[in-house]
Amino acid sequence: QSALTQPASVSGSPGQSITISCTGTSSDVGGYNYVSWYQQHPGKAPKLMIYDVSNRPSGVSNRFSGSKSGNTASLTISGLQAEDEADYYCSSYTSSSVYVFGTGTKVTVL
Amino acid sequence: EVQLVESGGGLVQPGGSLRLSCAASGFTFSSYEMNWVRQAPGKGLEWVSYISSSGSTIYYADSVKGRFTISRDNAKNSLYLQMNSLRAEDTAVYYCARTVRGSSGFDYWGQGTLVTVSS
Repeated sequence: QSALTQPASVSGSPGQSITISCTGTSSDVGGYNYVSWYQQHPGKAPKLMIYDVSNRPSGVSNRFSGSKSGNTASLTISGLQAEDEADYYCSSYTSSSVYVFGTGTKVTVL
Repeated sequence: EVQLVESGGGLVQPGGSLRLSCAASGFTFSSYEMNWVRQAPGKGLEWVSYISSSGSTIYYADSVKGRFTISRDNAKNSLYLQMNSLRAEDTAVYYCARTVRGSSGFDYWGQGTLVTVSS
């Protein structure tokens, strides 16, 4: 159950697009279309942004999109806004029937 | 409105026990799979345990297997986590989280309850 690998930090200017990667193995990210992404502001509970690789829950901005290629999933935030500054975590279902989270990425809006 | 409210956290000595509760409202609790997820101070998220809607299927992270027990009472709309043989590394905010029905993401989270293991 090793954590999925994410970059520690990603930054961008308002209006730009950024992409956060999430790398696992064929036993988790690569083996299932069960990758989800969470946004967490300081002191708050995580919020689901994407599930099943690319599905957006009701109420989540369409500026957030997800994709997957092989063992790496990605979250793209387009039209970056100040409110997008937060920590982001990916998660995947695994072949052991458990879940694993990513190491987390701090997004900074310059 | 979907609500998940955790309780039961606090300060406990190493080797001690604690029982967390999560009260659910605003949805048909018995129809949803549930999870516990924790976050150590200043650290990332760690999935802890899963329980199916009926309670018949349960999974644990290796880090808590044999020490923690997840359960639910669908009549009381409540989820529980019994934590025994607690260690300093179990110190964290513990969240209960609902699984997206028929899918894999966690769509609703409680506000969390802090567990501190220290002498």
